[in-house]
Amino acid sequence: EADIYQTPRYLVIGTGKKITLECSQTMGHDKMYWYQQDPGMELHLIHYSYGVNSTEKGDLSSESTVSRIRTEHFPLTLESARPSHTSQYLCASSELSLTPQQYFGPGTRLTVT
Amino acid sequence: AQSVTQPDIHITVSEGASLELRCNYSYGATPYLFWYVQSPGQGLQLLLKYFSGDTLVQGIKGFEAEFKRSQSSFNRRKPSVHWSDAAEYFCAVGDSGGYQKVTFGTGTKLQVIP
Repeated sequence: EADIYQTPRYLVIGTGKKITLECSQTMGHDKMYWYQQDPGMELHLIHYSYGVNSTEKGDLSSESTVSRIRTEHFPLTLESARPSHTSQYLCASSELSLTPQQYFGPGTRLTVT
Repeated sequence: AQSVTQPDIHITVSEGASLELRCNYSYGATPYLFWYVQSPGQGLQLLLKYFSGDTLVQGIKGFEAEFKRSQSSFNRRKPSVHWSDAAEYFCAVGDSGGYQKVTFGTGTKLQVIP
């Protein structure tokens, strides 16, 4: 059973606010990911990490930033939220092995007004 | 570059009918293939995976998927659909390189009519 958690599940916030989306996993996985998902669209990778102190940008350009200070924790931060950031954000993790099977959290639905 | 195509954005079937969800991929070598399901407001849950070996993969709730290299497909089938199968289904292809990149399709939303 995959144990990966995201908080908050839903967030409505005004333009210009700073927000942090939390993601934690208890599986000891080295690799973690953030995806952005819009209705009817594929998942777009925005950030990933191979392990502690490792962060990389994904395929989709994003104004967000991430950090990986602890193996189990991979928070995503938006310094100044805008309506264009309205989306669902999914966190995932996987083992650092040959098979790229990913386990997903329940997601955070962000609305910026 | 790897890619995934799910040709059907939305499928509606009657409960008890058979179902096939289509997935075509593009990848230079033998791929890792996955089917995920997403219920409204939830994350993705892994249903099926193919890494190697038997090309017919059995999953949960009576679903199965077949890898066909000649057609670059990984279609998912179920002989009799239940109302609880209504959800959105995503096909994905992953590589075996150091990055282990996974590319997802745009999803197929399944509606089941009682």
